[in-house]
Amino acid sequence: QVQLVQSGAEVKKPGASVKVSCKASGYTFTSYYMHWVRQAPGQGLEWMGIINPSGGSTSYAQKFQGRVTMTRDTSTSTVYMELSSLRSEDTAVYYCARGDPYCSSTSCYPNYWGQGTLVTVSS
Amino acid sequence: QSVLTQPPSASGTPGQRVTISCSGSSSNIGSNYVYWYQQLPGTAPKLLIYRNNQRPSGVPDRFSGSKSGTSASLAISGLRSEDEADYYCAAWDDSLSAVVFGGGTKLTVL
Repeated sequence: QVQLVQSGAEVKKPGASVKVSCKASGYTFTSYYMHWVRQAPGQGLEWMGIINPSGGSTSYAQKFQGRVTMTRDTSTSTVYMELSSLRSEDTAVYYCARGDPYCSSTSCYPNYWGQGTLVTVSS
Repeated sequence: QSVLTQPPSASGTPGQRVTISCSGSSSNIGSNYVYWYQQLPGTAPKLLIYRNNQRPSGVPDRFSGSKSGTSASLAISGLRSEDEADYYCAAWDDSLSAVVFGGGTKLTVL
């Protein structure tokens, strides 16, 4: 069965960077896009971007352009999301979510979700 | 401010039918599929409806989705206490080249 296991909670100071991992299993890693979505405390879902694990191409939400980097390691079936210049507003649960089978280069939706990683930004 | 608009709350009694609306524009709902996610308290979202009205295996047929123009709806019939959760609609937005979500609707089973 599809499993996405994310790294543990992080506490960072403002201005620092955080790198969250998401290890996939139960399917062919390079066959499905991977999304990153975050959720601030008590708030809704916010899409951050997507990576194609096959070639490593990425597309980021405009809000995060220049601050977010998504990468993958095909040898370990793991994707990473690094967010830099952290501020208090970045405190949130960060989710990886596999794209569904209908994904294309022009549209893609999340299907299976990881358990989430809480990132707390505090001085 | 979410790109897709949902009511912040909805409620119903056990056995009732409730609907949750999701309003967008021509660049998202009007030209792309709508997906719905259920988020139980303290857990990750779960796919509930895909491609406007399709249910993944394991999702009860009490849940149904529809789309018309730039709006979509999620209907839950035979409401049960375990349906108490947050529900989010989502669509691809061609102008933003991004997935956009509604702000979420908190469903309370009275």
